[in-house]
Amino acid sequence: DAKTTQPPSMDCAEGRAANLPCNHSTISGNEYVYWYRQIHSQGPQYIIHGLKNNETNEMASLIITEDRKSSTLILPHATLRDTAVYYCIVRVNYGGSQGNLIFGKGTKLSVKP
Amino acid sequence: DAGVIQSPRHEVTEMGQEVTLRCKPISGHNSLFWYRQTMMRGLELLIYFNNNVPIDDSGMPEDRFSAKMPNASFSTLKIQPSEPRDSAVYFCASSQQGITGELFFGEGSRLTVL
Repeated sequence: DAKTTQPPSMDCAEGRAANLPCNHSTISGNEYVYWYRQIHSQGPQYIIHGLKNNETNEMASLIITEDRKSSTLILPHATLRDTAVYYCIVRVNYGGSQGNLIFGKGTKLSVKP
Repeated sequence: DAGVIQSPRHEVTEMGQEVTLRCKPISGHNSLFWYRQTMMRGLELLIYFNNNVPIDDSGMPEDRFSAKMPNASFSTLKIQPSEPRDSAVYFCASSQQGITGELFFGEGSRLTVL
């Protein structure tokens, strides 16, 4: 699986959008971009994933650049409960067979009042 | 719906003792993952199973660690003998192949080896 690079930490004001970047310059054609987050002392929680199109769900939006070498997770209106470590992961997903989900160090997002 | 269920939630044991961690995946899921998390090394994948068969155990630290999945609804991770450096939070996760691939994690088992 390709490696990802994320900033170690970010701050965001409550109610503002949080934009979390991720670089995955060696991503291959059959690898998806996944985002998970881990709130303190809980298990990681799935947020969203995509291949090359932008994706949106009730939690967040995922913007993937056209060359697929980077992406941005957007939390449109961050709340204090969004304070967590956010992991960007690239993972094979083809024909129903998925590769390992390998976590890096992630970005520690602190949402401040 | 019940999520992934892990037991025990907390375990304190002495060096040299056997430790068994248990996991019940979400019904219908056919992939199961064991992860370990420490401050120093973050989240590490230890092993994962597809349809009860171990697919990749390259993350298992050494022979003291073993994992089994005797059926689709149960898995164990065993450490024998345990050492202080095994102290960590152990997470189990399950997913359904062929769908989103989303992993659902349990609440973890916090192991302390004295």
